[in-house]
Order: sequence, then C-alpha cells, then structure tokens
Amino acid sequence: QKEVEQNSGPLSVPEGAIASLNCTYSDRGSQSFFWYRQYSGKSPELIMFIYSNGDKEDGRFTAQLNKASQYVSLLIRDSQPSDSATYLCAVNKGTGFQKLVFGTGTRLLVSP
Amino acid sequence: GAVVSQHPSRVICKSGTSVKIECRSLDFQATTMFWYRQFPKQSLMLMATSNEGSKATYEQGVEKDKFLINHASLTLSTLTVTSAHPEDSSFYICSARDGEDSPLHFGNGTRLTVT
Repeated sequence: QKEVEQNSGPLSVPEGAIASLNCTYSDRGSQSFFWYRQYSGKSPELIMFIYSNGDKEDGRFTAQLNKASQYVSLLIRDSQPSDSATYLCAVNKGTGFQKLVFGTGTRLLVSP
Repeated sequence: GAVVSQHPSRVICKSGTSVKIECRSLDFQATTMFWYRQFPKQSLMLMATSNEGSKATYEQGVEKDKFLINHASLTLSTLTVTSAHPEDSSFYICSARDGEDSPLHFGNGTRLTVT
C-alpha cells in the first residue's frame, strides 16, 4: 500500500464547475497535510495546508480533512482553465513537519 | 512569502562528469533544506535532508557518495551529482521552511540531462 494515494486522472471538468480532488494516506500518525499544484515542467507551488479535522477555505479552494477515514480532499470552486495542472497531495512523515511524502498527483483538466 | 531560489534551472552534461546545483533561501534562514527528485510522470521523492553545519541525512536507497550535499550557511545548500550517468537524468528540486511550523516552499527545480 502506498503511503499517499491519489487517482492519477485526468479529472476533466468544465469551466465554472467544482473540481474535487481526493487523497488517502496510510500513516495514522500523520499530522499535517498539504496540497501543491504543479504545472508541467515546473516545481510545485503550495495551494493549501490543513492540520485539523474539518474544512479550511481559502478563496476558491477548500481543503477537507477526515483523520478517522485517513482522507483529505481539495475542492476548487468556479474552476478556470488556468487551474489545469497536476495536484499533489503531501503528508508529513514522522513527528513535526520535517518530511513530506507525496502522492503521484491528480491531473486536472478544465475545459473552456 | 518565503522564496527559495535554485540554480541552474537546466543543465546538460556528459556521462561521467559532475554537476553542482545550488539552493538558496532568499528572505529567510533555513537550518534545514530538503532535496527531492522527480522522474517523468512520477511523484516527488525525498532524497536527503540537508542540515546546516552537519552531515546530510539520506533516504534509504540514495547513495551519499554519489549525491554530495553541503549546507555551509543558513541560506545555501548545494547538491553535487558526481560521475553522472543517463539514469540520473531527472528533475531535482530543493525546498525549505521559514519556520518550524511552516510548510515547505520549493525552488524552481533543475532539469538535469546526462548524455
């Protein structure tokens, strides 16, 4: 079982729709969870992070965390073609925030 | 926000030569930096943790003698790929945090091609 699992996609949504990206993790001791966006050929850029169960909203983005189910998701409202990228879920490994373990990413395609 | 600068962005070298990649934290001090590698269509894999003033910590399966890491100051870490081979061709990315409870910020990455 992979430590962090994501559906590789592509996930295709029309412009203006809500995109829902999902991630599961295997280590119940994980404490912090991150979503990064990576455009082709570029390095990842941080979208959001979440530490506590529940929802966290930032603009068009909402991160949802359910530690009991070991599940974290990212919702993108009013999706734009510029949101088309690969979204990486990352989970801290060990105590503190020393290391991140990344999923393989979900490719999102937003069509005009 | 925290800015991490990486240089060069792209390098092509011949098999058997060594390549040095620099990672700088521009507006903060980083006692710890992390080096990742990403092969095409794969996820980022942590290679090593660079510690200022001490030896780097390598992940299992990463050859410390091949991937030399030096973290000589609070704003600079270098990764040297020694005796590079075509299978070392990859996207190398460094990252750092600007505080204990802060998330990682990534440099722009270095695309290494070994011919």
